[in-house]
Amino acid sequence: GAGVSQSPRYKVAKRGQDVALRCDPISGHVSLFWYQQALGQGPEFLTYFQNEAQLDKSGLPSDRFFAERPEGSVSTLKIQRTQQEDSAVYLCASSQGISGDLSYEQYFGPGTRLTVT
Amino acid sequence: DAKTTQPNSMESNEEEPVHLPCNHSTISGTDYIHWYRQLPSQGPEYVIHGLTSNVNNRMASLAIAEDRKSSTLILHRATLRDAAVYYCILRAPLNTDKLIFGTGTRLQVFP
Repeated sequence: GAGVSQSPRYKVAKRGQDVALRCDPISGHVSLFWYQQALGQGPEFLTYFQNEAQLDKSGLPSDRFFAERPEGSVSTLKIQRTQQEDSAVYLCASSQGISGDLSYEQYFGPGTRLTVT
Repeated sequence: DAKTTQPNSMESNEEEPVHLPCNHSTISGTDYIHWYRQLPSQGPEYVIHGLTSNVNNRMASLAIAEDRKSSTLILHRATLRDAAVYYCILRAPLNTDKLIFGTGTRLQVFP
């Protein structure tokens, strides 16, 4: 079956531009996560949705980062006024489980590589 | 959040078993031990998880120490496709479901 897809796969933005990154989770998955991965580091959590509700946004690094999942399926991560330190791979993951159910694994997309020049 | 410690890198030859260690001395009684791996230019993928007992699946085995302060991911016969960064992660049921990755172990497999 289809896995998690993300688009675009690569994005180059000039400093100060706004970007929007899209995630299509596995159909029927309730939970959706965004992670940021800097070069040579492990992924770091940004935010978590259960259906359309954003239950945890503790990892968003600044108010320039905004995520939404209005109908409980597709999600968009938006970064306003991009800075060079925003350059990273942005990973989306989805899961069948809901908060507190640790038996379900997370399925990751291939990521969007954002380069801010 | 309880932390994990893994070696930065390990090497193996193809067809040999690989034992990837993870220390988690501050693990709590309800933390699950999860392993994910990340192949080059891909997102992480789930490998295995366990709580107290050893676990086996088609990808690997997970051996958990009796005191739960350490665990070992076992790849029974390494292939070139197993070259990846392996992450050992503790998940707490009262936390949100986010995964907290460390720097992982980079496994190199030689033909």
